[in-house]
Amino acid sequence: EPEVTQTPSHQVTQMGQEVILRCVPISNHLYFYWYRQILGQKVEFLVSFYNNEISEKSEIFDDQFSVERPDGSNFTLKIRSTKLEDSAMYFCASEGLRNTEAFFGQGTRLTVV
Amino acid sequence: AQTVTQSQPEMSVQEAETVTLSCTYDTSENNYYLFWYKQPPSRQMILVIRQEAYKQQNATENRFSVNFQKAAKSFSLKISDSQLGDTAMYFCAFMPDTGNQFYFGTGTSLTVIP
Repeated sequence: EPEVTQTPSHQVTQMGQEVILRCVPISNHLYFYWYRQILGQKVEFLVSFYNNEISEKSEIFDDQFSVERPDGSNFTLKIRSTKLEDSAMYFCASEGLRNTEAFFGQGTRLTVV
Repeated sequence: AQTVTQSQPEMSVQEAETVTLSCTYDTSENNYYLFWYKQPPSRQMILVIRQEAYKQQNATENRFSVNFQKAAKSFSLKISDSQLGDTAMYFCAFMPDTGNQFYFGTGTSLTVIP
């Protein structure tokens, strides 16, 4: 069964450092998403990506965040200067057709110390 | 603005029994999609069931079924013959047809008791 793969599974970083979270979506999917979940809280939307550009982003997704699909397979989320409050589980998701089924990766747990 | 409300933070059910998780939403959209996602302790998000708002028939997927009441903006999930592996956090989610994001509820933590 096809799956979305995220690496690393856990990342610890010092405050102020840059991190890149990596995702390999399902190969023929066209729509890509990043969500985050702070421990014990609900899943929050960060950004959606289609046709090599951002289609929608939330207020959380400020100038410190960026996304990229550098090589047609990976989909990355970069946080330029991490803050303690960026500590969360980050989920990547992809969809073949919009509004059908978003397949989520297993998440990357980001801990900022 | 779109909002999704899950009013039951925690629920429990005896193994083999039936449980219903509630979800309400608020939207001015006419066309949209509703989902239930399961998040087990591994924290992966797994799609349980999906409903298209323009379809009146309630979606079913094996032991999982929904009661979709469009006028009341209600989308409850019924789990029949509960199994221990059903223990997880369940999130209700909404996506408008014209939008590009899921809106999630705060989740219901379900425990199946042996």
